[in-house]
Amino acid sequence: SQTIHQWPATLVQPVGSPLSLECTVEGTSNPNLYWYRQAAGRGLQLLFYSVGIGQISSEVPQNLSASRPQDRQFILSSKKLLLSDSGFYLCAWSKVEGDHRGPEQFFGPGTRLTVL
Amino acid sequence: LAKTTQPISMDSYEGQEVNITCSHNNIATNDYITWYQQFPSQGPRFIIQGYKTKVTNEVASLFIPADRKSSTLSLPRVSLSDTAVYYCLVGSGYSSASKIIFGSGTRLSIRP
Repeated sequence: SQTIHQWPATLVQPVGSPLSLECTVEGTSNPNLYWYRQAAGRGLQLLFYSVGIGQISSEVPQNLSASRPQDRQFILSSKKLLLSDSGFYLCAWSKVEGDHRGPEQFFGPGTRLTVL
Repeated sequence: LAKTTQPISMDSYEGQEVNITCSHNNIATNDYITWYQQFPSQGPRFIIQGYKTKVTNEVASLFIPADRKSSTLSLPRVSLSDTAVYYCLVGSGYSSASKIIFGSGTRLSIRP
């Protein structure tokens, strides 16, 4: 069966510090990968998605970046965190396009980031 | 991708049937309708998906009229544990970006 891991679960960082959040998927190959951010009481905002190694699409201009160094590894980074970067970060995966139905996404446990 | 509109919040009581309606006037021919459930501090979880008419699984039913411009998620005999945010999304695997857009969802509160 497929599983998705995210770490750390919680993180408190000072403004201006760097960030690295990691997501890995097991039990599937060549998945589509996604990074979302959710502010308190709000919906999910898609930040990045990837359809393959080294292929990253950004949805929202910001001081965050994403990388996919391996097929099942997705990393979210920042060189200098802002207060507005606080939130709940979720990684998700879905099967590769070709399934004619709407892609079902499977989410990780999330990372709660607080920037002080 | 088609935009969806759903109520911001709903309240109900244990044992009742809850129906959450979602509007998607611009749904495309290839689009499917998918509902997710999210508990606090967790990622969303797939509940049900359909294209037309009615779909039922062990968790919920999804009713889709012939024009497919709306859909209704039906939760039978809710319990306190059904308190969550419910998201309605439309899209298909043919979407060029393979992405799903989550709106603000419907915050369902179940009372004893």
